[in-house]
Amino acid sequence: GAGVSQSPSNKVTEKGKDVELRCDPISGHTALYWYRQSLGQGLEFLIYFQGNSAPDKSGLPSDRFSAERTGGSVSTLTIQRTQQEDSAVYLCASSQTRLGNQPQHFGDGTRLSIL
Amino acid sequence: AQKITQTQPGMFVQEKEAVTLDCTYDTSDPSYGLFWYKQPSSGEMIFLIYQGSYDQQNATEGRYSLNFQKARKSANLVISASQLGDSAMYFCAMRELILGNEKLTFGTGTRLTIIP
Repeated sequence: GAGVSQSPSNKVTEKGKDVELRCDPISGHTALYWYRQSLGQGLEFLIYFQGNSAPDKSGLPSDRFSAERTGGSVSTLTIQRTQQEDSAVYLCASSQTRLGNQPQHFGDGTRLSIL
Repeated sequence: AQKITQTQPGMFVQEKEAVTLDCTYDTSDPSYGLFWYKQPSSGEMIFLIYQGSYDQQNATEGRYSLNFQKARKSANLVISASQLGDSAMYFCAMRELILGNEKLTFGTGTRLTIIP
C-alpha cells in the first residue's frame, strides 16, 4: 500500500518480555517519528529520525526503549523488559522532509498490552 | 507551561451546525507550523489542515478552516456544516525547530460528537 505500515497491529505479552515494533514509512519519506498514545490521551513524542540518524531521542521514557532505522526506510522500536505502564498504542509517522508544511502521515498503530 | 492547550475535552454539536474547536499555543520560535488532525474511533490519525506562522491568510480545506490569530497565539479549527462522520477526537499540534531538530507537540485533544 501507499501509506505508513505498522506491524503487528496488536501485541499482547507478559511483563518482563522484550517486544519489537516495526514501521514501514511511505516510500521516499526521509523523516520518521514514533509516538505513544495512552488510553484517552494525546500523543507523546518518543523519537525522530532524519534518514538513519536520530537527532532527537529526548522523548524515550527510559533506557529500556531504543529505536533504529536502516536504509533510510524501515524502523523498529524495541522495548526491553516490558512493564505494565508500557501498555499503549504506539504510532509511527513519516513525512517528506523535516521542514515546512509537510504533514506527518500516520500508520494505524500497534496496540501493545502488557499483562 | 503547556505548549499546546485544548480547553474543550468534549463537545456536542447538532448536525449541520458549525463548530469551533479551540487551540492555543506557546512558543518563542518565530517560525512554526500548526496542524490539526482527526482521530476517529478506529484510531488512525488523519491530517486535516496546516497553518504556517508566516502565512498571511487563514488556511482552508473544504469544510475545514483555521482561525489563526497570531497575536493571541490561537489556531482554532472551524468545521462548517457538521456531519455525523465528523464525530471523532481532534488534535491540534505545533511544529517547532529546536536546536535544529523538528518537534511536533500535540494537545490533549477534543472529543467532538455530532448529534443527529
